[in-house]
Amino acid sequence: AQSVTQPDIHITVSEGASLELRCNYSYGATPYLFWYVQSPGQGLQLLLKYFSGDTLVQGIKGFEAEFKRSQSSFNLRKPSVHWSDAAEYFCAVGARGSTLGRLYFGRGTQLTVWP
Amino acid sequence: DTGVSQNPRHKITKRGQNVTFRCDPISEHNRLYWYRQTLGQGPEFLTYFQNEAQLEKSRLLSDRFSAERPKGSFSTLEIQRTEQGDSAMYLCASSFGQFLYGYTFGSGTRLTVV
Repeated sequence: AQSVTQPDIHITVSEGASLELRCNYSYGATPYLFWYVQSPGQGLQLLLKYFSGDTLVQGIKGFEAEFKRSQSSFNLRKPSVHWSDAAEYFCAVGARGSTLGRLYFGRGTQLTVWP
Repeated sequence: DTGVSQNPRHKITKRGQNVTFRCDPISEHNRLYWYRQTLGQGPEFLTYFQNEAQLEKSRLLSDRFSAERPKGSFSTLEIQRTEQGDSAMYLCASSFGQFLYGYTFGSGTRLTVV
C-alpha cells in the first residue's frame, strides 16, 4: 500500500531564508507526486506535481520540488521564504495506473516564518 | 467559475444528531472526492464519485456515513448518529479525469460534535 512520510512536523525559518520540506513515499513503482499548501481554515491548493520526465519541477509561488527515485523522495524547496508562505504543507502520492485517482497524503509540515 | 463550494463552513452538533454537508464541484469536473482531515493529520480518503456513480468507499466510511451525487452534479455527505470521533474537517475535491490536472479542493466543512 502507498504511504507518505513527512518527517518534520513543524519547521521555523526566517523570512528570506531558504526552505526545504522533506517527503518520502513508499510505493512499488514511481507514483504521481504532489505538494499542496493549506492556509488556516482553508482547503488545499496545489503547488506542483510530478508525473514523469524532468525530475525538477517548478510550481506556483516560487516553489520547486525534486524527485529522487533512489531515495523515494520528493522534497519541496524555495530559495527565499516570504512571510505569506506560513502555512501547512502536504505531500501526496497517487498510484500510477489507478483508474480511481485517489491520493494518499502525509501528515503535513507546519511552516512558521519569522520576520 | 467560483471553484469548489462547500456548505456549511462550520457545523456544531450534539452527539447522536444527524448532519448533512453539501459540495458543489466545478461544473465540468466529472470526478468528486470526499476526504476527512483530523487535527494534525493529512486528509484521508472517504469516497469517490465518477459522475453519479460511487466507485470507491474507504473503510473509514462506516454504515453511519452515506454520500450521494444525484445527476452527477453536487454531492451530499450525511453522517447519522454523530459521535465525538466524527469531529473533523470534511473536504470535498473535484477533478476532470485522473491526476493530470490535480484536484481542486473546497474550503471544507468543520464539524464539531459536542
